[in-house]
Amino acid sequence: EAQVTQNPRYLITVTGKKLTVTCSQNMNHEYMSWYRQDPGLGLRQIYYSMNVEVTDKGDVPEGYKVSRKEKRNFPLILESPSPNQTSLYFCASSPGTSGRARSEQFFGPGTRLTVL
Amino acid sequence: GQNIDQPTEMTATEGAIVQINCTYQTSGFNGLFWYQQHAGEAPTFLSYNVLDGLEEKGRFSSFLSRSKGYSYLLLKELQMKDSASYLCAVEDSNYQLIWGAGTKLIIKP
Repeated sequence: EAQVTQNPRYLITVTGKKLTVTCSQNMNHEYMSWYRQDPGLGLRQIYYSMNVEVTDKGDVPEGYKVSRKEKRNFPLILESPSPNQTSLYFCASSPGTSGRARSEQFFGPGTRLTVL
Repeated sequence: GQNIDQPTEMTATEGAIVQINCTYQTSGFNGLFWYQQHAGEAPTFLSYNVLDGLEEKGRFSSFLSRSKGYSYLLLKELQMKDSASYLCAVEDSNYQLIWGAGTKLIIKP
């Protein structure tokens, strides 16, 4: 089944404790992206990647890191989480890197993160 | 700045028709997308418009007017399962997706 998977789905942690949220897609997609979703603010892009070893900042990259060492995986790293990073996080992928092929995105199920 | 506006919440009756509006101001335009998101779930793609006019897909239709910076999503024969948030997103000239905050649609029996 074609899908984007994320782990963990739920995570409660404490300020400053490094964490990684994994994202994997089995569709051989070029483009991958991380979003956070907060009430009333809509989806905001954190980082995106057009291909292996190519990553770029989105709208809200501060406090996050990513890597793209393999085409299928795009982990999100919070080196020192803070309470303002409490949010719902989505990973997404799309087959192309421009136009509709890039913007018609397939989303993972989401990771609900709480930082105490 | 770039901005997408859509109503925060709408209520409609099962079996009726509802129109969800979206207006945008972006740096260029390369397409407009509608996504559906059920509570606690991931967004799923609904429709794509790049040229002016109406795109119909079953009970759902999406309209675009580029000159007015305006789109709407029309849902016909509403079903309870259509209760969800509907997200409008515009791809700007840099091929970045700009997202609206979403419209929560409540369907009443």
